[in-house]
Amino acid sequence: EVQLVESGGGLVQPGGSLRLSCAVSGFTFSSYYMGWVRQAPGKGLEWVANIKENGSEKYYVDSVKGRFTISRDNAKNSLYLQMNSLRAEDTAVYYCARDRLRKYFDYWGQGILVTVSS
Amino acid sequence: QSALTQPASVSGSPGQSITISCTGTSSDVGGYNYVSWYQQHPGKAPKLMIYDVSSRPSGVPDRFSGSKSGNTASLTISGLQAEDEADYYCSSYTSSSTRVFGGGTKLTVL
Repeated sequence: EVQLVESGGGLVQPGGSLRLSCAVSGFTFSSYYMGWVRQAPGKGLEWVANIKENGSEKYYVDSVKGRFTISRDNAKNSLYLQMNSLRAEDTAVYYCARDRLRKYFDYWGQGILVTVSS
Repeated sequence: QSALTQPASVSGSPGQSITISCTGTSSDVGGYNYVSWYQQHPGKAPKLMIYDVSSRPSGVPDRFSGSKSGNTASLTISGLQAEDEADYYCSSYTSSSTRVFGGGTKLTVL
């Protein structure tokens, strides 16, 4: 059974940092692109970033470039999102998802809430 | 990276058919056959319903179908059922190697 479990969310002050993790099981993690998608409270889905199987290629939405870094550890079957210089508008539920050839997301985690507020 | 355009809401009665549109540009929807659709119930993670414009993942009922014409993709749900009431989002690959989602459509089953 495919499972994606996010962790590391919580409340952080504006300008602060947070690192999200996504533990994966049920498939060969190193063979798939992975991505992060977020959803602000009461709003729609927004693609945030994705990363190639071996970590050699990374792509970001313009609003997080220079502030967020996506990474992975294939030995630990884990995906990460390092979030720096956080802003109120980064407040959202962050989903980890398996990215099929950068075309669609076929498996999703349950999501983790990040709240940026003073 | 502007969001794809979807109607805010659609509605239909049980047994009827509804169609949700998703309009982009030649740099995303119109340029690639990489449109996908997701269903999201309140408080739940999104679920893939359609990929590559018109393909259905295993387990998704054949009442759900997708199509595309030019810069507009569409999701059609036939034989509407109460459990289909949810938010629906389209998504596309873009010429910048990024992804873009639509603003979402709330489907109400009357």
